[in-house]
Amino acid sequence: SQQGEEDPQALSIQEGENATMNCSYKTSINNLQWYRQNSGRGLVHLILIRSNEREKHSGRLRVTLDTSKKSSSLLITASRAADTASYFCATNRGGSEKLVFGKGTKLTVNP
Amino acid sequence: ETGVTQSPTHLIKTRGQQVTLRCSSQSGHNTVSWYQQALGQGPQFIFQYYREEENGRGNFPPRFSGLQFPNYSSELNVNALELDDSALYLCASSLGAGANVLTFGAGSRLTVL
Repeated sequence: SQQGEEDPQALSIQEGENATMNCSYKTSINNLQWYRQNSGRGLVHLILIRSNEREKHSGRLRVTLDTSKKSSSLLITASRAADTASYFCATNRGGSEKLVFGKGTKLTVNP
Repeated sequence: ETGVTQSPTHLIKTRGQQVTLRCSSQSGHNTVSWYQQALGQGPQFIFQYYREEENGRGNFPPRFSGLQFPNYSSELNVNALELDDSALYLCASSLGAGANVLTFGAGSRLTVL
């Protein structure tokens, strides 16, 4: 079963616009990670946010975490065509060896 | 520093056959996790190997088995293949047991006919 649920399932924007993806989860977590996947290839780690953090930045990426609402958001600013990919959130419960992924958001950035 | 490499990249099998997928972990990593990703879905955890021992398993039947070797490379074996086993199989390496930041390989796409 998948704990994380990304929203929206698909998002299409123009280059230069911002893209916001949301993730909701069900149980308490140790950390939450975001990954990107290009066309059914391997996943690439983007950013990790711990349960005691509320916001984190990495380049054009901004991640927020609201543990009271069990939700996270990923903001990509000034999007580029190369950002076209599927984005997944993945949660980890304390002491668990596994990451639980959502179904992902498919982002298309049109040039 | 080499990344995670998986082989083969694509393969086609028929129902009932057996398959072995291979993974070389990133240099310096001692943990390997395997995930199954069906079309249009997120990856699902199969199991993790740490120091050559299974360190956690997801909701997969015993016909899914694995190995980790002293050089930290790993194999995933699936017996008695079923049509629903058709998926992208992803190997990920990390440092230390648990769900740390994962470095994924490009995957092995298995089609079962």
